[in-house]
Amino acid sequence: AQSVTQPDIHITVSEGASLELRCNYSYGATPYLFWYVQSPGQGLQLLLKYFSGDTLVQGIKGFEAEFKRSQSSFNLRKPSVHWSDAAEYFCAVGANNNDMRFGAGTRLTVKP
Amino acid sequence: EAQVTQNPRYLITVTGKKLTVTCSQNMNHEYMSWYRQDPGLGLRQIYYSMNVEVTDKGDVPEGYKVSRKEKRNFPLILESPSPNQTSLYFCASSTGQGAGDTQYFGPGTRLTVL
Repeated sequence: AQSVTQPDIHITVSEGASLELRCNYSYGATPYLFWYVQSPGQGLQLLLKYFSGDTLVQGIKGFEAEFKRSQSSFNLRKPSVHWSDAAEYFCAVGANNNDMRFGAGTRLTVKP
Repeated sequence: EAQVTQNPRYLITVTGKKLTVTCSQNMNHEYMSWYRQDPGLGLRQIYYSMNVEVTDKGDVPEGYKVSRKEKRNFPLILESPSPNQTSLYFCASSTGQGAGDTQYFGPGTRLTVL
């Protein structure tokens, strides 16, 4: 069965520093992978998704993610974090919407 | 503005008192679903609907009911809430079932059952 692991529950970075959020997945076939962001008091917003093709995916708000099949990973990165990026981030895997598996989430704190 | 709305946003109730959380979308989406979010568990799907009058169980359907009488609305019903249903609930919609379809999430309903 598919599953998603986000090893880091909470990460703190300084504003302007780079960011990498880790995501490892288990899936029986070619995965469909997603990153969502949840700002305080808000619903989830899709940052980016990967289905096939170029393994480096660009998303909104300056985020990108790289699919590495050999490592079963789909890590999210941003070169320079802004205070407004403080939120909770969810990685998800699934073949369709009623088969999605979400990770437990990583909470990002940004220090001034 | 394209959006998914949920009401109420916050609700405190007591065990056994029936409640309904409404969900409405204005994007003419066929697919709608409900999730619950619990610390350390991420989001888990409760029920989903692929179209009007078509609903099916997700991963954690026990204690919940849904209905889809109109395309835009997908209410979540707790007929006899229990404390273990205290959670943050999200409604979502998309054009279809496929993985290529982006799900749009509502702002969430925080439910506390005493």
